[in-house]
Amino acid sequence: DIQMTQSPSTLSASVGDRVTITCRASQSLSHWLAWYQQKPGKAPKLLIYKVSNLESGVPSRFSGSGSGTEFTLTISSLQPDDFATYYCQQYLSYLWTFGQGTKVEIK
Amino acid sequence: QVQLQESGPGLVKPSETLSLICTVSGDSVNSARYHWSWVRQPPGKGLEWIGHTYPSGNINYNPSLKSRLTISVDTSKNQLSLKLTSVTSADTAVYYCAAYEVGAGGRGSWGQGTLVAVSS
Repeated sequence: DIQMTQSPSTLSASVGDRVTITCRASQSLSHWLAWYQQKPGKAPKLLIYKVSNLESGVPSRFSGSGSGTEFTLTISSLQPDDFATYYCQQYLSYLWTFGQGTKVEIK
Repeated sequence: QVQLQESGPGLVKPSETLSLICTVSGDSVNSARYHWSWVRQPPGKGLEWIGHTYPSGNINYNPSLKSRLTISVDTSKNQLSLKLTSVTSADTAVYYCAAYEVGAGGRGSWGQGTLVAVSS
């Protein structure tokens, strides 16, 4: 099974900050990685697919990058609507797995 | 865009079987465009992938649940179903169904989720 490790688990930041979340995989994923945003009581919302492709309707302040086993989600200027929990998910293996999540809190 | 709606009992007793239905609209569960999937989230915890289908009809299950789990597709009703036997309190979670576009690396649609509590 491919293990996904996100860091940090919690991140405290202010509006306007640049925020970076990292996801490390136990083996190379090629381009089969996505990022989701989840708010309390809501289903996850896709932000980025195939490592770096911005989903339609997602603000351009979100970006994804990386290759092999290390990937990052960057929010260039944190907005009030961005305080949420973020998850990565791999689709390489036939057993899909999520990272454990990163909660972005108000500093 | 495909839309999904989960339904099922909100409360299940320990050792019994949890049964959920996901009603699909906007496309057919026979469609080769999607992996029909289940994901769950225990209260206050992260997302856990449960399993997904392939257009070929194959189904992949989370190994930690495989011995208790059945995912199936009912084409006559255009529904996806989940059955989890011998439930315990550890199976208390919000259960989501999702339609992942094949080959799209995460693109797709999610249902709103349904909370299932396991308690006597």
